[in-house]
Amino acid sequence: QVHLVQSGAEVKKPGSSVKVSCKSYGDTFNSYFVSWVRQAPGQGLEWVGGIIPYSRTPDYAQKFQDRVTIAADTSTDTVYMSLRSLRSDDTAIYFCTTSLTTLIYKRWFVSWGQGTLVTVSS
Amino acid sequence: QPVLTQPPSVSGAPGQSVTISCTGGSSNVGAGYDVHWYQQVPGTAPRLLLYAHTNRPSGVPDRFSGSKSDTSASLTISSLQAEDEADYYCQSYDSSLNGPYVFGSGTKVTVL
Repeated sequence: QVHLVQSGAEVKKPGSSVKVSCKSYGDTFNSYFVSWVRQAPGQGLEWVGGIIPYSRTPDYAQKFQDRVTIAADTSTDTVYMSLRSLRSDDTAIYFCTTSLTTLIYKRWFVSWGQGTLVTVSS
Repeated sequence: QPVLTQPPSVSGAPGQSVTISCTGGSSNVGAGYDVHWYQQVPGTAPRLLLYAHTNRPSGVPDRFSGSKSDTSASLTISSLQAEDEADYYCQSYDSSLNGPYVFGSGTKVTVL
């Protein structure tokens, strides 16, 4: 298993962008599918997108397709998520989480980062 | 709107059993895709509880068990303990534009 450490809380203005990082300790990311899952205040979990770091090919939920970019730096075992054109309803805790790179329809989320609170407010 | 439906809350006294349902449709649970369960204590990250319906990761007590039928899955907590008070989420693969990974609406378990 990996230990995931995320970057700190962010406060952003509507219309701006945010970039959150997730670094792996204890094991290389290369054998995992790394996802971003968000949770708005008092709400449930929502998958944003993911990437297999060694392939550098991301996959995004349709809802975020136009505004999100997920990238990996295999030299530092770090995955990044950038979200553009921020709105107030993007205010949420963003978690990174890992799955084994098995069949796409047989993935579950094993290790989780501590979460990064992104607050969008004017 | 969450794609998978769960009851908002369930409760039970210590030592009792509670069951949480997770209902989906023909593009996820009903299509035969696996259901996984997570426990989230407020203020912390989710924790994997069960994967592929019935399998427990190392460290998860055998009081937690799962089952599946047709378009739904269930999580049962036996011998309820105070530490089980948390939110529980199901998750599956979805082949429609909602996917590929969808979560349930979440269930708050209260230990009376």
